[in-house]
Amino acid sequence: DGGITQSPKYLFRKEGQNVTLSCEQNLNHDAMYWYRQDPGQGLRLIYYSQIVNDFQKGDIAEGYSVSREKKESFPLTVTSAQKNPTAFYLCASSGWQGGGETQYFGPGTRLLVL
Amino acid sequence: AQTVTQSQPEMSVQEAETVTLSCTYDTSESNYYLFWYKQPPSRQMILVIRQEAYKQQNATENRFSVNFQKAAKSFSLKISDSQLGDTAMYFCAFMLRSSNTGKLIFGQGTTLQVKP
Repeated sequence: DGGITQSPKYLFRKEGQNVTLSCEQNLNHDAMYWYRQDPGQGLRLIYYSQIVNDFQKGDIAEGYSVSREKKESFPLTVTSAQKNPTAFYLCASSGWQGGGETQYFGPGTRLLVL
Repeated sequence: AQTVTQSQPEMSVQEAETVTLSCTYDTSESNYYLFWYKQPPSRQMILVIRQEAYKQQNATENRFSVNFQKAAKSFSLKISDSQLGDTAMYFCAFMLRSSNTGKLIFGQGTTLQVKP
């Protein structure tokens, strides 16, 4: 089955620690995205990548880093510089379906600070 | 800059009835996509429906349909024959067709409760 997987489902971060969220897709999509969702709110874009070995900052990139070494993978690192990391993180990839572009989402990772 | 506004934080509907969720957006562009996504308690973001701005015909997907009013910049979602499984948070989203980012701009969401 084609889709997007994210791991882990839950992640706990200690103060001063960097943590990495995994995102893998087998949809053969070039573009991938990371969004952050805070309680009761919509999604905000952290980083995006339109092609392997290239990525761009989104609206709230401070305290986060990414890499895109493979088409299928787009890991997100939450660094110690991110002072309020508790949130739900969603990865997405974008492709053409039915004559239009559409983003599809993974199941998400909930990050909690200990 | 584009913005998306959902003015109904919460709504409820009886099972089997029809409900309409509202969304307005602001843009100076003419070529874009609009989406409705559903986020159930599992928090998985699921695509409900997509509308291309250049199409005059309103999109439909089974029990879900939209009322797209381009001049008014309005994009409402109608859910017919509501089912308990429709209980979720619904997000309206905007994407520029010409964008080199593919960035989605989301509204704040509407929580829909379907009552038995």
